[in-house]
Amino acid sequence: GIQVEQSPPDLILQEGANSTLRCNFSDSVNNLQWFHQNPWGQLINLFYIPSGTKQNGRLSATTVATERYSLLYISSSQTTDSGVYFCAVDSGAGSYQLTFGKGTKLSVIP
Amino acid sequence: GAGVSQSPSNKVTEKGKDVELRCDPISGHTALYWYRQSLGQGLEFLIYFQGNSAPDKSGLPSDRFSAERTGGSVSTLTIQRTQQEDSAVYLCASSLAVTGFGYTFGSGTRLTVV
Repeated sequence: GIQVEQSPPDLILQEGANSTLRCNFSDSVNNLQWFHQNPWGQLINLFYIPSGTKQNGRLSATTVATERYSLLYISSSQTTDSGVYFCAVDSGAGSYQLTFGKGTKLSVIP
Repeated sequence: GAGVSQSPSNKVTEKGKDVELRCDPISGHTALYWYRQSLGQGLEFLIYFQGNSAPDKSGLPSDRFSAERTGGSVSTLTIQRTQQEDSAVYLCASSLAVTGFGYTFGSGTRLTVV
């Protein structure tokens, strides 16, 4: 099956700093999504981005499908950005399940 | 409803007992998914329902696990003869279509088998 690798596994930021999270995937995908799991366990959908670039406030994401990677940018980080960021893909090969990466655990300190 | 609703939020059960977990998806979402999140395994797909089509059960870990979706809406995940390795957070999600657009997770059911 498709493999999803995220880096870095852990990241500590000072409040106000910027960061880039990376997601590499092993095969072509029909669907790529970024999720944020907050410290209480709730998974929030950030972006549906199989290709191209999207922005939502301080967050933006870019997927280069031909090179099989996606980047999530967090600017001017806040303590509420803390949690685990997951990249998930669906290869579209007849199944609509998402395969998740292991996540990047982000801690933003004041 | 406004979001994906799961119940119960927590369940402690004795080894060998059966449990039922419930998911009420967002109204109008035709696709419904169950995932499991455990410390050692991360987020794993279990089963997927789309409209009236046969479900994709390829992620169910054993025949002790089953799920149904009645009337294209509410879904129930049943685990028979629970084992300690079944302890995990069971997450339900729904989306507008098979493309996954509008993918929304519920808050999950934390299952502890003692």
